[in-house]
Amino acid sequence: EAQVTQNPRYLITVTGKKLTVTCSQNMNHEYMSWYRQDPGLGLRQIYYSMNVEVTDKGDVPEGYKVSRKEKRNFPLILESPSPNQTSLYFCASSSSTGPGGYTFGSGTRLTVV
Amino acid sequence: GNSVTQMEGPVTLSEEAFLTINCTYTATGYPSLFWYVQYPGEGLQLLLKATKADDKGSNKGFEATYRKETTSFHLEKGSVQVSDSAVYFCALSRAGGTSYGKLTFGQGTILTVHP
Repeated sequence: EAQVTQNPRYLITVTGKKLTVTCSQNMNHEYMSWYRQDPGLGLRQIYYSMNVEVTDKGDVPEGYKVSRKEKRNFPLILESPSPNQTSLYFCASSSSTGPGGYTFGSGTRLTVV
Repeated sequence: GNSVTQMEGPVTLSEEAFLTINCTYTATGYPSLFWYVQYPGEGLQLLLKATKADDKGSNKGFEATYRKETTSFHLEKGSVQVSDSAVYFCALSRAGGTSYGKLTFGQGTILTVHP
């Protein structure tokens, strides 16, 4: 089954404790992206990657890092989480061959206390 | 920059009512337009899309027409069901350059359908 898999689904952590949210896709997509969803703000892009070793900032990159060492994986790293990063996070992937739509993961609900 | 504006929610309807959720956009060039749906506790799913002016996207009884003259992509359904209760997001994407494929979302509209 074609899918984007995120882990974990739920995470509660403390301020300043580094964490990684993993994202993997099995569709051989070139394009991958991270979004955060907050009430009243819709989804905002954090980082995106157009292919292996090619990443760039989205609209709200502060406090986040990403890497794209393999085509299928695109982890999101929070080096020193803060409470304002409490949010619902989604990973998405898409083929570069056209605007065919995006496949989203099931989401990671992160709470930073 | 690109932006998407959706009608304010929440929207509450009775089963079999007609649904319209308004969406307008601002973008240079010719974006592709999408509607995504998010059911409770789940990720976003592509509902329908349109890639050029006057295209009509349709799926599961939902329709939306790409209107370049009014920069709109309103979502409609003739008869909603309780199972349509979800959050609906309008989005656009522009291909090319360093912004390839980036999705810009509206704020989402919560739809609740009562029996």
